Amino acid sequence: EAGVTQFPSHSVIEKGQTVTLRCDPISGHDNLYWYRRVMGKEIKFLLHFVKESKQDESGMPNNRFLAERTGGTYSTLKVQPAELEDSGVYFCASSQDIAGGRYNEQFFGPGTRLTVL
Amino acid sequence: GNSVTQMEGPVTLSEEAFLTINCTYTATGYPSLFWYVQYPGEGLQLLLKATKADDKGSNKGFEATYRKETTSFHLEKGSVQVSDSAVYFCALKKDSSYKLIFGSGTRLLVRP
Repeated sequence: EAGVTQFPSHSVIEKGQTVTLRCDPISGHDNLYWYRRVMGKEIKFLLHFVKESKQDESGMPNNRFLAERTGGTYSTLKVQPAELEDSGVYFCASSQDIAGGRYNEQFFGPGTRLTVL
Repeated sequence: GNSVTQMEGPVTLSEEAFLTINCTYTATGYPSLFWYVQYPGEGLQLLLKATKADDKGSNKGFEATYRKETTSFHLEKGSVQVSDSAVYFCALKKDSSYKLIFGSGTRLLVRP
């Protein structure tokens, strides 16, 4: 079974440009999450999709970030325009929907390292 | 608010040494606690978990015990190997939420 995949693995862009990150979750996983780690600090939650709906986007830093999950399969995270402080590693994770379950393991992708110059 | 604090790295050990990576948390109620590991070039992998007080999670020789009285979940291994070199993240999850709250990560380097 394929794991969570992310594309690209690295991206280097100039301040003010636009970048789009893609995440393909494990097949059949309804839940999809975006996290990021900035400058070696803690990994912070950005948002959570259930199928194509945004369940929780409380961690999105500002309106320069737009996440979509059309059709409830893969997801994209667009940063427009990118700023220097957006540099970091963006992780995607997915999990099954276990009704009534207390624990629902999240499986992570390798991350996209974004550098804004 | 909810948060996780873990010891800063890097931690450098010789092979077969004893490992402890400290993790403490702040949260209301009874969160679930996790250790994730990120090997070079790979994504985060769940290493072990504990869902209630006094539970001990274990995997691949690593152990951690959920201590509610000290709000801690320290990671231990009796004899590390070079292949254990990685970044280790402590995390919590509240029952009422799907999101994981991570610490800042601790890099472990094991020398032969």
